[in-house]
Amino acid sequence: SQTIHQWPATLVQPVGSPLSLECTVEGTSNPNLYWYRQAAGRGLQLLFYSVGIGQISSEVPQNLSASRPQDRQFILSSKKLLLSDSGFYLCAWSVRAGEYEQYFGPGTRLTVT
Amino acid sequence: AQSVAQPEDQVNVAEGNPLTVKCTYSVSGNPYLFWYVQYPNRGLQFLLKYITGDNLVKGSYGFEAEFNKSQTSFHLKKPSALVSDSALYFCAVRVRGSTLGRLYFGRGTQLTVWP
Repeated sequence: SQTIHQWPATLVQPVGSPLSLECTVEGTSNPNLYWYRQAAGRGLQLLFYSVGIGQISSEVPQNLSASRPQDRQFILSSKKLLLSDSGFYLCAWSVRAGEYEQYFGPGTRLTVT
Repeated sequence: AQSVAQPEDQVNVAEGNPLTVKCTYSVSGNPYLFWYVQYPNRGLQFLLKYITGDNLVKGSYGFEAEFNKSQTSFHLKKPSALVSDSALYFCAVRVRGSTLGRLYFGRGTQLTVWP
């Protein structure tokens, strides 16, 4: 069966510090991968998605970036965090094509102080 | 542009009563429709989906949803609510034929079931 991992689970970082959040998927190959941010426990904002190694599409201009160095690894980064980067970050995967749903990881709670 | 509307931020229902969480959508083309549930500080869990066929789809934990093409709606229902159903519910739509698999989410509806 497929499993998706995210770490760390929680993170408190000062403004201006770098960020690296990692997401890995097990039990599937060639997945689509997604990064979302959820603010204030409500709506989901799609940040990045990837259809393959090194292929990243950005939905929202911001000081965040994403990379996919391996087929089942997706990394969210920032060189300098802003207060507005605080939120709950969710990684998800889906089968490349078809009617399949997305499966979400457990999330990372980021607080920028 | 694709969009999903969940007109109620909050739904309150007594335990044992039926519940409905509303969702309407707008897409260019035919949709795939999904419902997810989120418990506090957790990721989203998939509940059910409509792909094609029967307009009434059944999912996890006794939930079901009815697809209405003319009203572009996909309301989530459960005949008898449980206190443990209290959570945040998201409706989502995906355009049929999209290889990117992108989901467009509503803003979520907070369901509270009172004992």
